[in-house]
Amino acid sequence: GEDVEQSLFLSVREGDSSVINCTYTDSSSTYLYWYKQEPGAGLQLLTYIFSNMDMKQDQRLTVLLNKKDKHLSLRIADTQTGDSAIYFCAGTSGTYKYIFGTGTRLKVLA
Amino acid sequence: GAVVSQHPSWVICKSGTSVKIECRSLDFQATTMFWYRQFPKQSLMLMATSNEGSKATYEQGVEKDKFLINHASLTLSTLTVTSAHPEDSSFYICSANQIYGTTGYEQYFGPGTRLTVT
Repeated sequence: GEDVEQSLFLSVREGDSSVINCTYTDSSSTYLYWYKQEPGAGLQLLTYIFSNMDMKQDQRLTVLLNKKDKHLSLRIADTQTGDSAIYFCAGTSGTYKYIFGTGTRLKVLA
Repeated sequence: GAVVSQHPSWVICKSGTSVKIECRSLDFQATTMFWYRQFPKQSLMLMATSNEGSKATYEQGVEKDKFLINHASLTLSTLTVTSAHPEDSSFYICSANQIYGTTGYEQYFGPGTRLTVT
């Protein structure tokens, strides 16, 4: 089955850019997603990218997809303290089933 | 976007009792809903796929007799944790699919239910 890996922690200073990386094993996902989870809360969809795209930009967020290396990244420009959260990448396996990465805890230092 | 709600948002129960968690799609109909479990500082693990009008499909290793799922209507799925034990304490998140056209869909997540079994 699909295996999705992320680095566990990332710490950046306010105003810097953050880059969160994700690697996956199954290349059949039509879409790949990035979700944000704040403490004690559910998941908030940040952005997604269609599998035939290389890049997608949405305001401060830039998603890069390297299908050859099965690597997905999320860049947050001008990171703010409110961006501190856990970020999950997710792909799909089969019909509708989401497989989530291990999650990256982003800490933004003031 | 569409909204998925869960009730209760948190619950504390005694060991041996059963707890029911509701997942509702508020402004759309969902033939398929999903139940996930999240342990502290870990990722979401898919427990089962809930299909309206038919039996749920459970992931490998998930006890169907312990985690009863009922999807009786197009806007409601329930997860009942039967004979709960402390190891069942977790954050349970549901999601629901909104279908567009013949092949498009988007999955919306509920806010989660924190279950603590004492």
